[in-house]
Amino acid sequence: NAGVTQTPKFQVLKTGQSMTLQCAQDMNHEYMSWYRQDPGMGLRLIHYSVGAGITDQGEVPNGYNVSRSTTEDFPLRLLSAAPSQTSVYFCASSRSDPGTEAFFGQGTRLTVV
Amino acid sequence: RKEVEQDPGPFNVPEGATVAFNCTYSNSASQSFFWYRQDCRKEPKLLMSVYSSGNEDGRFTAQLNRASQYISLLIRDSKLSDSATYLCVVTGGYNKLIFGAGTRLAVHP
Repeated sequence: NAGVTQTPKFQVLKTGQSMTLQCAQDMNHEYMSWYRQDPGMGLRLIHYSVGAGITDQGEVPNGYNVSRSTTEDFPLRLLSAAPSQTSVYFCASSRSDPGTEAFFGQGTRLTVV
Repeated sequence: RKEVEQDPGPFNVPEGATVAFNCTYSNSASQSFFWYRQDCRKEPKLLMSVYSSGNEDGRFTAQLNRASQYISLLIRDSKLSDSATYLCVVTGGYNKLIFGAGTRLAVHP
């Protein structure tokens, strides 16, 4: 029972490089989201999707793109990495019913040098 | 002002102690409330949902006061395994989760 799978677990990028963080879930959840976690700030929402083909911005979307071509996958793209994007990134999924449990991937620790 | 504010911690308590965490939220339209637990360098996991009537799960009791926009978590008879960061979470529009910064608990022998 895989749940939410994120890859890679660790990544070091040079400033200006681009990359894609992968996220896949096997629970047929409609709702998927990406968060970043920085010390002392909690998790902040980057982008979210309420279903295939539908995405929207969260609290801190600048520098990131997403797409949702299938229910299962929700990749996060860093367009031109900056040191300020050094963080831990979590993907999450849940049913669309309000108040349901969100399941998180194991996280990606990204360092931009 | 942060949308969800928590006690900064850390809380250092001996085994067997009772510890209480508090949380306030600013959006009176929030509909759902949770406590998540996050172990060091791991992903958050749901500890319990929080209801207006209050709810209990073993040693854990959660309370919600909508009028004061206040959420609490009480842990009785603390165990070493309770050491973690506890995240207060409320929903914004359409299932968007809004996290507090978390309160770290360290239970020592």
